[in-house]
Amino acid sequence: QFVLTQPPSASGTPGQRVTISCSGSRPNIGSNTVNWYQQFPGTAPKLLIYSNYQRPSGVPDRFSGSKSGTSASLAISGLQSEDEADYYCAVWDGSLNGVVFGGGTKLTVL
Amino acid sequence: QVQLVESGGGVVQPGGSLRLSCAASGFSFRSSGMHWVRQAPGKGLEWVAFIRYDGSNKYHADSAKGRFTISRDNSKNTLYLQMNSLRPEDTAVYYCAKDLYDYDSSGYPFDYWGQGTLVTVSS
Repeated sequence: QFVLTQPPSASGTPGQRVTISCSGSRPNIGSNTVNWYQQFPGTAPKLLIYSNYQRPSGVPDRFSGSKSGTSASLAISGLQSEDEADYYCAVWDGSLNGVVFGGGTKLTVL
Repeated sequence: QVQLVESGGGVVQPGGSLRLSCAASGFSFRSSGMHWVRQAPGKGLEWVAFIRYDGSNKYHADSAKGRFTISRDNSKNTLYLQMNSLRPEDTAVYYCAKDLYDYDSSGYPFDYWGQGTLVTVSS
């Protein structure tokens, strides 16, 4: 029921590279830039990636974003235990005139 | 430093009303677009509403249209969300969030968030 589709879960071992996908359509990802958020339990989300691939200051370069057509991806390289969190993609949807979020992906570091 | 502090949450009966406030400091509030985002217990994030820096433009999610109204008072550095006709499914933590860009946004990224205020709609 979410406009943007994310896998509900992802996992990896320390040091591995993990990618999280976000699938949308022309009015949202196909027409606008994608943002990614990281959220730890009981805390407010944090902006991780904006404008498809830009990192706010303080975000490690282990985190990277990309977009192609109506899909986007978040990649985490050199996975660390502290990366275990929920990750959300978000984008403006021109047909809904609002921001839409993906359902979120729970990342587990094994 | 940027601070966003929400208040006004609580327990309300179905059909009731609440007004949430978000006190902003540490940045130029009058030049920043602002958002409300909510998160039901154990669920994902849901965008609720956006207001342009000068209040001239507002957008509300379909779930909020006709019941919720976003507003702001730049003289008080405060953002509001008036919520009427509340339903049990409106139960959530409500966050206010600041747009990354001054004046008009590009892609509406939220670079600062408050700690959230819990709204519980129950009889």
